[in-house]
Amino acid sequence: QKEVEQNSGPLSVPEGAIASLNCTYSDRVSQSFFWYRQYSGKSPELIMSIYSNGDKEDGRFTAQLNKASQYVSLLIRDSQPSDSATYLCAVNKRGSTLGRLYFGRGTQLTVWP
Amino acid sequence: DGGITQSPKYLFRKEGQNVTLSCEQNLNHDAMYWYRQDPGQGLRLIYYSQIVNDFQKGDIAEGYSVSREKKESFPLTVTSAQKNPTAFYLCASSMGSWVDDSPLHFGNGTRLTVT
Repeated sequence: QKEVEQNSGPLSVPEGAIASLNCTYSDRVSQSFFWYRQYSGKSPELIMSIYSNGDKEDGRFTAQLNKASQYVSLLIRDSQPSDSATYLCAVNKRGSTLGRLYFGRGTQLTVWP
Repeated sequence: DGGITQSPKYLFRKEGQNVTLSCEQNLNHDAMYWYRQDPGQGLRLIYYSQIVNDFQKGDIAEGYSVSREKKESFPLTVTSAQKNPTAFYLCASSMGSWVDDSPLHFGNGTRLTVT
């Protein structure tokens, strides 16, 4: 079982719609959760982090964390064509001797005008 | 401005040659990492370093080597032993692996093509 799994996509939504990106993780001791956006040919950039159960909002982005279900999601409201990118979910495990982030394979999002 | 600088952006090499990718950061971060990304794939950890003069293998270290002689620098050498070296290589840094809420900051990447 992979440490972090994402719905493979691709996900296609019209401009103005809500895009929902999902991620599950296997290790219950995971403590920190991150969403990165990666444009084609570019490096990942951090867009959201969440550490506690519930919702965290930042502009058009909302991260949702449910530790009991080992599930984290990213909602993008009022999607824009500029949101078209691959979104990577990453998880950090407390106490890991490696002290590293585990990444999912990413979900490719296309927002069409 | 603080950040991570990777050079060069594009690198072409013949098969059988070793090549070194540069990574420098001025964020005063303790931890540095090298990831590899192949088309349609997630990020795979090659090596990481939590402190100067110390580093550990990641998931795919075979055919690679690193050094960490300075806090700011973490060069990666792709050796001729790496069977499929063509990929996008990403260097990253963070405050430290013992800081749980420590996201990674990435450089702009080096795209290596070996023919």
